Amino acid sequence: DQQVKQNSPSLSVQEGRISILNCDYTNSMFDYFLWYKKYPAEGPTFLISISSIKDKNEDGRFTVFLNKSAKHLSLHIVPSQPGDSAVYFCAASAGYQKVTFGTGTKLQVIP
Amino acid sequence: NAGVTQTPKFRVLKTGQSMTLLCAQDMNHEYMYWYRQDPGMGLRLIHYSVGEGTTAKGEVPDGYNVSRLKKQNFLLGLESAAPSQTSVYFCASSYSLAGTGVEGHRYTFGSGTRLTVV
Repeated sequence: DQQVKQNSPSLSVQEGRISILNCDYTNSMFDYFLWYKKYPAEGPTFLISISSIKDKNEDGRFTVFLNKSAKHLSLHIVPSQPGDSAVYFCAASAGYQKVTFGTGTKLQVIP
Repeated sequence: NAGVTQTPKFRVLKTGQSMTLLCAQDMNHEYMYWYRQDPGMGLRLIHYSVGEGTTAKGEVPDGYNVSRLKKQNFLLGLESAAPSQTSVYFCASSYSLAGTGVEGHRYTFGSGTRLTVV
């Protein structure tokens, strides 16, 4: 049972435009959400996170939105840059439980 | 500061052979994890450890064993490799959730080991 779902395996966006990556979850006990970024031949790296007491968190060009009623979160990248091309993993955890990862979305930013 | 180091980076095994993947971290993290990444499957947890001398099963533990004899090292063993274990393996570490709260959710990953079983 996939508790964290990323239904779009890939996404292409023009440089300078907004990239929106989506993630849905099924476990209502999740209270902490994260996004990781992965370049080829490297391990994933932490990008941004949000706790369930918030609905938005910003860090420079990256913003994560959380809609608890819809069990949905999204990552917005504005403006998108070619260096943002990578695989993005959504992840979630409940309390002291381990982090559960989604299947990833491959973002391609076209110059 | 090396972070999380995995060895080897690449390996080709024949079916039935055994091998050990080594993970070392220098951040004094309490928790360590082994994941495998397969196309369309994301990151799946194989085994994890919440402290020296302790290990636990993740969601896909069959065919693997682990040991954490020292806090900084986490070993993943394949006793009899099968083609289904062809994958990219990632080790990760984190602070204890009990000690640091949400920081414990932020994992530091190694660069991976690409294993092919023929």
